[in-house]
Amino acid sequence: ETGVTQTPRHLVMGMTNKKSLKCEQHLGHNAMYWYKQSAKKPLELMFVYSLEERVENNSVPSRFSPECPNSSHLFLHLHTLQPEDSALYLCASSQEGGGYGYTFGSGTRLTVV
Amino acid sequence: GQQVMQIPQYQHVQEGEDFTTYCNSSTTLSNIQWYKQRPGGHPVFLIQLVKSGEVKKQKRLTFQFGEAKKNSSLHITATQTTDVGTYFCAGLESNDYKLSFGAGTTVTVRA
Repeated sequence: ETGVTQTPRHLVMGMTNKKSLKCEQHLGHNAMYWYKQSAKKPLELMFVYSLEERVENNSVPSRFSPECPNSSHLFLHLHTLQPEDSALYLCASSQEGGGYGYTFGSGTRLTVV
Repeated sequence: GQQVMQIPQYQHVQEGEDFTTYCNSSTTLSNIQWYKQRPGGHPVFLIQLVKSGEVKKQKRLTFQFGEAKKNSSLHITATQTTDVGTYFCAGLESNDYKLSFGAGTTVTVRA
């Protein structure tokens, strides 16, 4: 366990489905992040929440919708995804500013069919 | 915006040999961090460098931060099969709140 828990670990969904990814941290961190990792591509930052406020939305399509109800929980709501959205979705947390390192969760392997 | 470049993209190493991977930023950094991602795993924080010219060691791994705080290197001696994975550097600017990750160096080891 990393201190950052992501569920589910694997998800297969159709293009018309709605699903949510969940991330939970118990490290006392006050910043949380969603990253997308595709094969042979760099880590892509999707969203940043600092002190429960969204501070970055990195030109992510609206079919991805984040939610941060408190400093320990982060969700990524998915709807009408495309096959090219298949990837590993990683959640991370840190102290605000990230100056002491990010702690990543184990990720959700998403396959869109 | 800030860009962090890593070279090489792939490193194939004979077990027991040494190698170095390099990280270069387009801007001056307040700190640089290194992460390791094993195959099928997630990135794990290894170390953070803050001071100009700083050198830190973790067993067979030596991390260095450049004098200008724009580049860094990771040197691994006597490579073992447990060193397999992708090594990412990530830079933080003093006026920014998020890390910029490099594309990573993927290391494979020949026994």
